[in-house]
Amino acid sequence: QQQVKQSPQSLIVQKGGISIINCAYENTAFDYFPWYQQFPGKGPALLIAIRPDVSEKKEGRFTISFNKSAKQFSLHIMDSQPGDSATYFCAASKGSGGSNYKLTFGKGTLLTVNP
Amino acid sequence: GAGVSQTPSNKVTEKGKYVELRCDPISGHTALYWYRQSLGQGPEFLIYFQGTGAADDSGLPNDRFFAVRPEGSVSTLKIQRTERGDSAVYLCASSVRQGIEAFFGQGTRLTVV
Repeated sequence: QQQVKQSPQSLIVQKGGISIINCAYENTAFDYFPWYQQFPGKGPALLIAIRPDVSEKKEGRFTISFNKSAKQFSLHIMDSQPGDSATYFCAASKGSGGSNYKLTFGKGTLLTVNP
Repeated sequence: GAGVSQTPSNKVTEKGKYVELRCDPISGHTALYWYRQSLGQGPEFLIYFQGTGAADDSGLPNDRFFAVRPEGSVSTLKIQRTERGDSAVYLCASSVRQGIEAFFGQGTRLTVV
């Protein structure tokens, strides 16, 4: 059972464009939704995260949009740069009081930003 | 060290052999996690340690997999009677405490031939 579905599988964007990656989840108990960036040969690195009490969170060029009723969230990368080329994973976890250790990941999106 | 360190970076072993994968967490991090990432997939949770004890080992696929953290710092993931299906990147992560951002190591790529 795939609890977090991510799309698209791959994405090609021109430099300066907007990259959009979408995720949908099934478990309504999830209450923490991070996005990770992974470069080849490296471990995932936390990019930005959101909790369901807000609908949007922005950090620099990265924005998470969250739709609780639709059980969907997305990552928007504004002014995409070649250095953003990486694999992006959405994830989700559940728990209260900070017990969000068990992350369920999507399958990943390979982003290529052409110069 | 500055980050989570995993050794070896790569491990090739023959089917049926025993392997140990090591994780050195960030100093002072009490929570430690192991994940497994198969080719083209996202990481999958294996086990979580809080201190020396395994607080949640529900992700371990079967009894060939075992992990320890005897002194609450370094952890070792042990795989007995390896199978070709065990081939994957094994990721370790640590955090100051449960629920706070976890920092991942670069992983150990295990290949079972």
